[in-house]
Amino acid sequence: EDKVVQSPLSLVVHEGDTVTLNCSYEVTNFRSLLWYKQEKKAPTFLFMLTSSGIEKKSGRLSSILDKKELFSILNITATQTGDSAIYLCAVEAEIQGAQKLVFGQGTRLTINP
Amino acid sequence: DAGVIQSPRHEVTEMGQEVTLRCKPISGHDYLFWYRQTMMRGLELLIYFNNNVPIDDSGMPEDRFSAKMPNASFSTLKIQPSEPRDSAVYFCASSFVIAGVLTDTQYFGPGTRLTVL
Repeated sequence: EDKVVQSPLSLVVHEGDTVTLNCSYEVTNFRSLLWYKQEKKAPTFLFMLTSSGIEKKSGRLSSILDKKELFSILNITATQTGDSAIYLCAVEAEIQGAQKLVFGQGTRLTINP
Repeated sequence: DAGVIQSPRHEVTEMGQEVTLRCKPISGHDYLFWYRQTMMRGLELLIYFNNNVPIDDSGMPEDRFSAKMPNASFSTLKIQPSEPRDSAVYFCASSFVIAGVLTDTQYFGPGTRLTVL
């Protein structure tokens, strides 16, 4: 059965700290891994990762994929209160010619001032 | 609970045809969201409902798209007429309120993969 597991489920840190969020997966015919930031309404796309070992960076956020060990991490440096959200990891897999997106349960990140 | 249920799981149709996608949210959830997932744009929010009432449909691409929620346990997303650029995976998600406040956890269905030829 395809699954995506995120850890920790919840994390509380102080502003300025660096955090690392984890996502491990087991899917058939992996195509890509996506990170989203979920606030009140819709998830906001952060990164799409398809190749191992290549870090993607956007401001204070960065992410990397390890296709051998089947996991990805999302790093946020110098955290701010606006980073508080649920961070979703999703894996795109191809099943019998069809695309399937499997979401993890999310990590709830709280940044305290 | 069975989770969010979507049907069909796959739909292949020809350009110009009407397409209807269906969603059954988790029982007791007050909010229902329709998303479209493409490789180019990622996950896009199309429309969402609260207690069966459409709240924000600003993400609906154009008039060919319409969504309804006739009751708390059923919603449809209709495309008429369909075009090849509508090909995508369409997700439905539901969520609930605690003490009148929308929680930020959404439960996603398995998606409907739509291919318009």
